[in-house]
Amino acid sequence: KAGVTQTPRYLIKTRGQQVTLSCSPISGHRSVSWYQQTPGQGLQFLFEYFSETQRNKGNFPGRFSGRQFSNSRSEMNVSTLELGDSALYLCASSLATGSYEQYFGPGTRLTVT
Amino acid sequence: SQQGEEDPQALSIQEGENATMNCSYKTSINNLQWYRQNSGRGLVHLILIRSNEREKHSGRLRVTLDTSKKSSSLLITASRAADTASYFCATPLIMYSGGGADGLTFGKGTHLIIQP
Repeated sequence: KAGVTQTPRYLIKTRGQQVTLSCSPISGHRSVSWYQQTPGQGLQFLFEYFSETQRNKGNFPGRFSGRQFSNSRSEMNVSTLELGDSALYLCASSLATGSYEQYFGPGTRLTVT
Repeated sequence: SQQGEEDPQALSIQEGENATMNCSYKTSINNLQWYRQNSGRGLVHLILIRSNEREKHSGRLRVTLDTSKKSSSLLITASRAADTASYFCATPLIMYSGGGADGLTFGKGTHLIIQP
């Protein structure tokens, strides 16, 4: 089975711009979660989607949003980028919601200048 | 806020030695997971241990869970250079009374270096 794929792998944006990141889960997985990883804050949960519904959202401002499509693919969007949004954004999929083991993609490295 | 906290933050050992890292958490959980991350890449799931289990093995990995002390340990035996990575414990972010949970919370990780 193909693993979790994320596009793009690297991205450089300017403050104030917006960005959309994409994630394709493992075939058959219906839950997709997003995490932000920075050297200072570590890994932080952004949100989780299951069957096109956002199940849970972490403590992030409204500039961070996401959605899930009927084929379980997911996108996350960050509007009005700030320097502090520079991070590795990781997507993970699992068979179902409920803290099952998660399979992570390689991540998208976002740099905001 | 982060629930799990790994100890030590960094560990350097010789190839062939055993590596032990610990994780402490704050609230009740129904399971705990360990993940590995190689330099700036995605995380790889290593093992999941449920709250009613005390010990679990997977190849050269041994994980223990002590719910009374709210702690877990990961032992890697006969370490290899390829084991050089950061290791994270993860616990459910929000748990529901019915037993489900959403999201994971991670500690800051233990950076393990295996010297040849």
